[in-house]
Amino acid sequence: EIVLTQSPATLSLSPGERATLSCRASQSVSSYLAWYQQKPGQAPRLLIYDASNRATGIPARFSGSGSETDFTLTISSLEPEDFAVYYCQQRNNWPLTFGGGTKVEIK
Amino acid sequence: EVQLVESGGGLVQPGRSLRLSCTASGFTFGDYAMSWFRQAPGKGLEWVGFIRNKAYGGTIEYAASVKGRFTISRDDSKSIAYLQMNSLKTEDTAVYYCTRALAGYGGVWGKGTTVTVSS
Repeated sequence: EIVLTQSPATLSLSPGERATLSCRASQSVSSYLAWYQQKPGQAPRLLIYDASNRATGIPARFSGSGSETDFTLTISSLEPEDFAVYYCQQRNNWPLTFGGGTKVEIK
Repeated sequence: EVQLVESGGGLVQPGRSLRLSCTASGFTFGDYAMSWFRQAPGKGLEWVGFIRNKAYGGTIEYAASVKGRFTISRDDSKSIAYLQMNSLKTEDTAVYYCTRALAGYGGVWGKGTTVTVSS
């Protein structure tokens, strides 16, 4: 099973700042990695798929990069609604696996 | 509007069964694979299983933690996906989400249904 490790566990930032979240895979997942956003009491929402493709309706301030084992989600300028938990997920191998999440909180 | 609505959750004793339904609307259900995910209280996301559409054989993948106990199926005529859960354990307690798959990802998510396994 592929293990995804997200860092940091918590990111404390102010609105307008840039957020950089990391996801590292225990073995190559090629470009088959997605990022989700989850707010309290809500279902997750797909942000980025296949490493760098924004899902429908996702603002351009969200971008993804990386390949093989190292991936990054960047939020260029944090809006108040962006404070949430972010998960990465790989689809290169069964079973599908998730990282443990990064909480982006208001500083 | 694409919509997924899960139902069938509730409180159940260990060892018993429960069937969840996922009713889809706003798209041609038979054209898409569907996935189930879950989230235990205060924990992260976990993939449960995946069912391909008929064009890809309708085959199914399961997480090791549920294989042999859970069964995923679909009724394309009714636009419903099912998750039959047998021999439930306390560790199956979670919010269960149905998704319209985008390749192996959860492209569109329902709001979830809560399953509590407790005596």
